[in-house]
Amino acid sequence: AQRVTQPEKLLSVFKGAPVELKCNYSYSGSPELFWYVQYSRQRLQLLLRHISRESIKGFTADLNKGETSFHLKKPFAQEEDSAMYYCALSGPNTGNQFYFGTGTSLTVIP
Amino acid sequence: KAGVTQTPRYLIKTRGQQVTLSCSPISGHRSVSWYQQTPGQGLQFLFEYFSETQRNKGNFPGRFSGRQFSNSRSEMNVSTLELGDSALYLCASSSGLAGVSEQFFGPGTRLTVL
Repeated sequence: AQRVTQPEKLLSVFKGAPVELKCNYSYSGSPELFWYVQYSRQRLQLLLRHISRESIKGFTADLNKGETSFHLKKPFAQEEDSAMYYCALSGPNTGNQFYFGTGTSLTVIP
Repeated sequence: KAGVTQTPRYLIKTRGQQVTLSCSPISGHRSVSWYQQTPGQGLQFLFEYFSETQRNKGNFPGRFSGRQFSNSRSEMNVSTLELGDSALYLCASSSGLAGVSEQFFGPGTRLTVL
């Protein structure tokens, strides 16, 4: 069965410190992985997807099929990164339905 | 392009009542998905409509239903409301065409059941 796991509900880091938000998934086949972000009082929006292999706002994520992970990383956290982050999965095996993790609330301490 | 819009933004209902939520997708998008967002469960998929047909369905009871109109606007209905239905209901639109396409989310409807 398809599943996305985000083990950390809450994560706090100091400004300028590296940050890593963990995401593990289960999926039979080749999934498409996404990170969505929800800033305070804003709607959920796409941060990045693995197929684009882009760095958005300094964030990167690498799909590790061996470890079935798609961790989100940023070398130097900024206060404006404080938000709720959701990892999501989709693909042909899900009928292109999206499965979301339970989210990680990131707080960057000034 | 105008973004996804949802109405109403806030609703207060009592147990046993029913409620209808509306979602207008981005122009040209044919797929609308609905999610229930709660602090403990995150986003849980309700259903997806594409070209007026339900294409995917999550694990919610039959009290939750939806439909899509020819202009791609979608409505979600919840009958016999329960306290546990209190949540933020999000809709997301996408092109819905071949392959996985990015979902664009609306601001949500905050439903409170008393």
